[in-house]
Amino acid sequence: DIQMTQSPSSVSASVGDRVTITCRASQGISSWLAWYQQKPGKAPKLLIYGASSLQSGVPSRFSGSGSGTDFTLTISSLQPEDFATYYCQQANSFPLTFGGGTKVEIK
Amino acid sequence: EVQLVESGGGLVQPGGSLRLSCAASGFTFSNYAMHWVRQAPGKGLEYVSAISGNGGSTYYANSVKGRFTISRDNSKNTLYLQMGSLRAEDMAVYYCARVPVGLIHYDYWGQGTLVTVSS
Repeated sequence: DIQMTQSPSSVSASVGDRVTITCRASQGISSWLAWYQQKPGKAPKLLIYGASSLQSGVPSRFSGSGSGTDFTLTISSLQPEDFATYYCQQANSFPLTFGGGTKVEIK
Repeated sequence: EVQLVESGGGLVQPGGSLRLSCAASGFTFSNYAMHWVRQAPGKGLEYVSAISGNGGSTYYANSVKGRFTISRDNSKNTLYLQMGSLRAEDMAVYYCARVPVGLIHYDYWGQGTLVTVSS
């Protein structure tokens, strides 16, 4: 199975800050990576797929980059509604696997 | 509007069985693969099972293989997960999720249904 390792596990940030979350795959997955946002008590929401493609309706302050084994999710200017937990997911092969999550908290 | 609505969760004793359903609307259900993903309380996301659009291909996580069965009824636009030999570690919120054609990420999710395994 492909292991997905996210870092940091949590980050404290202020509104307007730039936030970067990293995700590393245990083997190369080309650009087959997705990012999700999850708020408490809610289902995950797709933000990014194909490592860098923005899902329709997602604000442009979210961006993704990377290929192979190393990926990043960047929020260019953190907004109050962005405080949530973020997960990466490899979409390269079964079994699909997720990172452990990164909680973005208010500083 | 794409909608996925899960049902069937509840309290079940260890070793028991439960069947989850996911009613889909707003898209041509038979054109899309569908997955079940779960989340234990306070934990991360875990892929559980997948089924192709016509139901001909199914996949399972090792943790549920032999105990869970995924199926679908395209005439009813409904996805199912039959869960058996339930264990404490199966306790989670179970989400159904749609997979875009030709890809394996999730573009739409249901709201989830909670399965509690306890005596």
